[in-house]
Amino acid sequence: EAGVTQSPTHLIKTRGQQATLRCSPISGHTSVYWYQQALGLGLQFLLWYDEGEERNRGNFPPRFSGRQFPNYSSELNVNALELEDSALYLCASSSDRGGIDTQYFGPGTRLTVL
Amino acid sequence: AQSVAQPEDQVNVAEGNPLTVKCTYSVSGNPYLFWYVQYPNRGLQFLLKYITGDNLVKGSYGFEAEFNKSQTSFHLKKPSALVSDSALYFCAVRDASGTYKYIFGTGTRLKVLA
Repeated sequence: EAGVTQSPTHLIKTRGQQATLRCSPISGHTSVYWYQQALGLGLQFLLWYDEGEERNRGNFPPRFSGRQFPNYSSELNVNALELEDSALYLCASSSDRGGIDTQYFGPGTRLTVL
Repeated sequence: AQSVAQPEDQVNVAEGNPLTVKCTYSVSGNPYLFWYVQYPNRGLQFLLKYITGDNLVKGSYGFEAEFNKSQTSFHLKKPSALVSDSALYFCAVRDASGTYKYIFGTGTRLKVLA
């Protein structure tokens, strides 16, 4: 069974540009979570999507947004990129709506903002 | 407010010795607790979780964790460390307030010395 996949692996942008990151959950999983892992800051919760709807978001500005498609894959969009947006962005999926099921993580997208 | 603390940034242990990575939590209601491991340039891999029942939880790669309600701790343990266990370890708690957020600790880097 395929795990969570993310693309691209690496993404290099300049300040002010927009970045789009993609995530495909494990087959059968309906919930997708996005996290930012900046150097030395651990994992910061960004967004949670379930059944196509945004269920919750972390303490990030509105320029961080996303969506979930009917096939449960998801996109994370970051507008007006800033240098401090440089980080590893991790996507995770689970099979129940924010319940006690385990989150399974993808390998991440390394975003570098120059 | 829900929180997770990993008081040690780094733990060093000799190969063959027992290891402990500490985690304490603060959460309203019953806690759902998780441990994940992250190898360099990789996403997080699930190790084990505590939902209910036996306080000693056994997980992948010979790891186990003990839930201690009175001390609000969920320390990760392994009887005999391997060099290959060297990685970044994250403790997480599922927010029980209904928002279903997962809160991660800042991570502990485990270094097993040959």
